Amino acid sequence: AQSVTQLGSHVSVSEGALVLLRCNYSSSVPPYLFWYVQYPNQGLQLLLKYTSAATLVKGINGFEAEFKKSETSFHLTKPSAHMSDAAEYFCAVSDRNSGYSTLTFGKGTMLLVSP
Amino acid sequence: DTEVTQTPKHLVMGMTNKKSLKCEQHMGHRAMYWYKQKAKKPPELMFVYSYEKLSINESVPSRFSPECPNSSLLNLHLHALQPEDSALYLCASSQDPTSEAFFGQGTRLTVV
Repeated sequence: AQSVTQLGSHVSVSEGALVLLRCNYSSSVPPYLFWYVQYPNQGLQLLLKYTSAATLVKGINGFEAEFKKSETSFHLTKPSAHMSDAAEYFCAVSDRNSGYSTLTFGKGTMLLVSP
Repeated sequence: DTEVTQTPKHLVMGMTNKKSLKCEQHMGHRAMYWYKQKAKKPPELMFVYSYEKLSINESVPSRFSPECPNSSLLNLHLHALQPEDSALYLCASSQDPTSEAFFGQGTRLTVV
């Protein structure tokens, strides 16, 4: 079974600082990996995806993630945090073997941004 | 139109009520999904419809009954729910069964 592990349930940064949210995956086949963001009382918004093309993936709102097979990682970064980035972030893996885009999510990381 | 629209946004229902959640997309997506998200937890898959047929049921109790009347609509019929079923119910769609999913804003359900 495929799974993802997000290290750190909460990450705190200052506005303007680097954002680094960690995600490690477990998969017996090359995975499809995603980062979603969820604002309070909202649905999930797709930030970016990895589907075996370029290993460095650029997403919306200045976020990017790098797929590292040797480290089984897909960490999310942003060079400079903004107050509006405060939200819950979920890493997810898609089970390609199922033939469906069913997502298994990590437990989530709450990003807190202070002035 | 790149949205998945869910109605209602909030719903309070008693344990003997029957209610329905609705989801609509006009992106021509052929796969649609229901996820359940408890407070401070990640979403969990409930059902998958592919080309209007139920493809995956993640052992969901029968008090939850999905329906896909056409390729744009997805319903979730609720009957005799329990307070522990209170959660955010998220609908999603994807272009085909293997493409990335786009989520609606969810329905916040409270069972009293």
